[in-house]
This record gives sequence, structure tokens and C-alpha cells, in this order.
Amino acid sequence: KQEVTQIPAALSVPEGENLVLNCSFTDSAIYNLQWFRQDPGKGLTSLLLIQSSQREQTSGRLNASLDKSSGRSTLYIAASQPGDSATYLCAAPNTGFQKLVFGTGTRLLVSP
Amino acid sequence: GAVVSQHPSWVICKSGTSVKIECRSLDFQATTMFWYRQFPKQSLMLMATSNEGSKATYEQGVEKDKFLINHASLTLSTLTVTSAHPEDSSFYICSARDLLVDFTDTQYFGPGTRLTVL
Repeated sequence: KQEVTQIPAALSVPEGENLVLNCSFTDSAIYNLQWFRQDPGKGLTSLLLIQSSQREQTSGRLNASLDKSSGRSTLYIAASQPGDSATYLCAAPNTGFQKLVFGTGTRLLVSP
Repeated sequence: GAVVSQHPSWVICKSGTSVKIECRSLDFQATTMFWYRQFPKQSLMLMATSNEGSKATYEQGVEKDKFLINHASLTLSTLTVTSAHPEDSSFYICSARDLLVDFTDTQYFGPGTRLTVL
């Protein structure tokens, strides 16, 4: 059974800093991994989807990497802005199923 | 493209009543839809997987008689919370997979429905 963990649970940084969010998963036999953003009281916004054949994906100031062998993924946010403040969730498929297992999330606060 | 809507966005009801939440894929056909529940400051937990034209598959611990799911068409799935109680108050989010690009396994998420049971 897939288990997904994210650290840190919360992160507070001043504007402009580069930061890294971590995601660990127990079953490395995944075919993709996704990163999402969730604003308070809102639904999910898909940020990046990394296929198992890829090692990283980039979108603007966001870069996500995937290391299946170690069961880890990282989300790198460059030059953080107050608008980046949100909860970031990673999700990996459960073994052999279509289901997504979500991590516990990292609540990010970027101060002006 | 790949937009998923939910209705209503929020609902308040009295204990003992039933509430229906709709999930629609607006610009694509979805063979599979998923229903999640999220309690405050917690992550999303999968409740059930809904396949068009067949019975939903519920996760362990989710009461199928309490959370009725109907996936009657390729663009609509409904979740009915029957005899709702205050402990059912939560944020309910659906997602859908695109039939034409199913191989990517991408799920598109709705904006969520906030249910408050008094």
C-alpha cells in the first residue's frame, strides 16, 4: 500500500528566497507523480506531472524532480513570491490501481 | 480544456437530511471519476471510485449506504450524503479522468464542495 509523506509540514520564508519541498513515497513502482497547489477553502490546481521515465519537469519558477529508486520527489520554487503562499500536495498512484494517494501537504507562507 | 465543475460550491443542511453533490466534466468525457473528502488541515482521502455505468468502488471504512454515488453518464457523477450528521461536515472534491487521454492517468479536479451539517 502506497504511503506518501511530505516535509516540512509548514514553511515560512521571506519573499525572494528559493525553497525546496520534499515528498517521500513507500512504493517506488509508480508510473507518475503529481504536485498540486491548494489555496485555503479551494480545490486543487495541478502544477506538475512527472512520468516515471522522466527525472524532472519544469514550469516557470517551479521545478519538480523524481527519484524512484530512493522514493523521493522534490518541488523547487525559485524566487518565491507572496502569491506562492498555499498548501502544496504531492500525490502518487497506489500500486496497481488508478487511485492517487496524497501526501500530508506543506503549508507555505511567503512574507513580503 | 479539461475543466471539472462541482455544484453546489457550498451547502448547509440540517442533521438528518440528504445532500446531493454533482461533479461534471465540462469539455471532456470521463470514464472514471473519483470522490475525495478533506477535513480541515488534513490531506485528501479517497472515498470511492466511480465508473460510468457500473457500481462505485468504495474505500475501506467508507459506508456505501451513507455515501451514494451515481455515475450515470460520461460527464456526470453525483455523491449523495444520506442522513447527514455534523461529523459528515467536510470539503468534498471530485476528480475525473479524460477518456481520450486516459493513458496519461491525469486526474482533473473540481473546485470542491463545502458541506456543513448543523
